[in-house]
Amino acid sequence: QQPVQSPQAVILREGEDAVINCSSSKALYSVHWYRQKHGEAPVFLMILLKGGEQKGHDKISASFNEKKQQSSLYLTASQLSYSGTYFCGTEAGGAGSYQLTFGKGTKLSVIP
Amino acid sequence: ETGVTQSPTHLIKTRGQQVTLRCSSQSGHNTVSWYQQALGQGPQFIFQYYREEENGRGNFPPRFSGLQFPNYSSELNVNALELDDSALYLCASRGGLAGGEQYFGPGTRLTVT
Repeated sequence: QQPVQSPQAVILREGEDAVINCSSSKALYSVHWYRQKHGEAPVFLMILLKGGEQKGHDKISASFNEKKQQSSLYLTASQLSYSGTYFCGTEAGGAGSYQLTFGKGTKLSVIP
Repeated sequence: ETGVTQSPTHLIKTRGQQVTLRCSSQSGHNTVSWYQQALGQGPQFIFQYYREEENGRGNFPPRFSGLQFPNYSSELNVNALELDDSALYLCASRGGLAGGEQYFGPGTRLTVT
């Protein structure tokens, strides 16, 4: 089942913060976050594993609430380069098959 | 650069034809997944190969088939092309079946006329 992302779109000014949420109705093994710019392939940002710690690099971090099967991606002090569509991919696992199911994406636009 | 390559970059086919897309996984990665991404949508999982065996399939008809070779490269074959098959086809590789980082290739843009 496809995870649900919110918001669908957000516009930020440079330097502002944003939070993108991803929720699933299934018990999750991992959550993956990607950013995709127009006409390009999705670029891996980070992975959060069940039982793992909150991840982050530079000004982008993420958390995974296993009890609620929710993940959030935090972008602080946004830069123009952060613009793009953000996808979460969830991995439920079980029965020997692990595959990523992606949400519909959150379009982030950062303006000067 | 992720080390995952795909060919061709673009392809135009006629309805009813057959197409083969190719993917070379990143060095050391033994799992390859294929996705279809329509404009404005998230990637939709087609199937996954692990050590040359299909390991998981999404909601796609049997005319979508694949192969993985001993060097872990992979092919996606689509028979009897339909107009709705027009999309960006992405392959992604990871080093293992579960929990690992997955990296996408640049994609093949397929247009069916």
